[in-house]
Amino acid sequence: NAGVTQTPKFQVLKTGQSMTLQCAQDMNHEYMSWYRQDPGMGLRLIHYSVGAGITDQGEVPNGYNVSRSTTEDFPLRLLSAAPSQTSVYFCATSYSGGMDTQYFGPGTRLTVL
Amino acid sequence: AQTVTQSQPEMSVQEAETVTLSCTYDTSESDYYLFWYKQPPSRQMILVIRQEAYKQQNATENRFSVNFQKAAKSFSLKISDSQLGDAAMYFCAYIEGAQKLVFGQGTRLTINP
Repeated sequence: NAGVTQTPKFQVLKTGQSMTLQCAQDMNHEYMSWYRQDPGMGLRLIHYSVGAGITDQGEVPNGYNVSRSTTEDFPLRLLSAAPSQTSVYFCATSYSGGMDTQYFGPGTRLTVL
Repeated sequence: AQTVTQSQPEMSVQEAETVTLSCTYDTSESDYYLFWYKQPPSRQMILVIRQEAYKQQNATENRFSVNFQKAAKSFSLKISDSQLGDAAMYFCAYIEGAQKLVFGQGTRLTINP
């Protein structure tokens, strides 16, 4: 039982490049979400999903895309990376929604040059 | 948009003493959930305690307890008998619409031996 896994742990991109941050869970959780953490600003919700085939925007969705084709996976895509997207990204899952205990992945530190 | 405010960027306490971290939030809803999450240097986010707004009794988890003042929209965390392992960033969070978790800016807690 791996819980919530994120890959990669670290990534450096050049402005304009695209990439996908991976998030996978083996807890059969319906709810999955992506956050970014910037110094002095706490965690901010990017996108979330309440189940396979369903996604919705959070507080800061611009520049990011998501899809949820399976219960287990919830990838986050940066279509054209910008320096403002330099941050630590966390994936979180819970049984059915935001009111449940969130289980966080270890995070991905992304630097955009 | 709902907001969560942690007015203490940093706090310190002597080992074995008690410390209280403050959190205020803004909402027009009557039923909601509040959380305290801990982020140690390992960066892993861990749920400390959860409070349901319709429950008047303050939540407790071992050495951790909250003072929930619904009318004042205040949700403070008290840590008793502080231990070195309690050193971390602590984030207050509010659930918006049952799906969107909103975090405060965080309080860095230092434990002095």
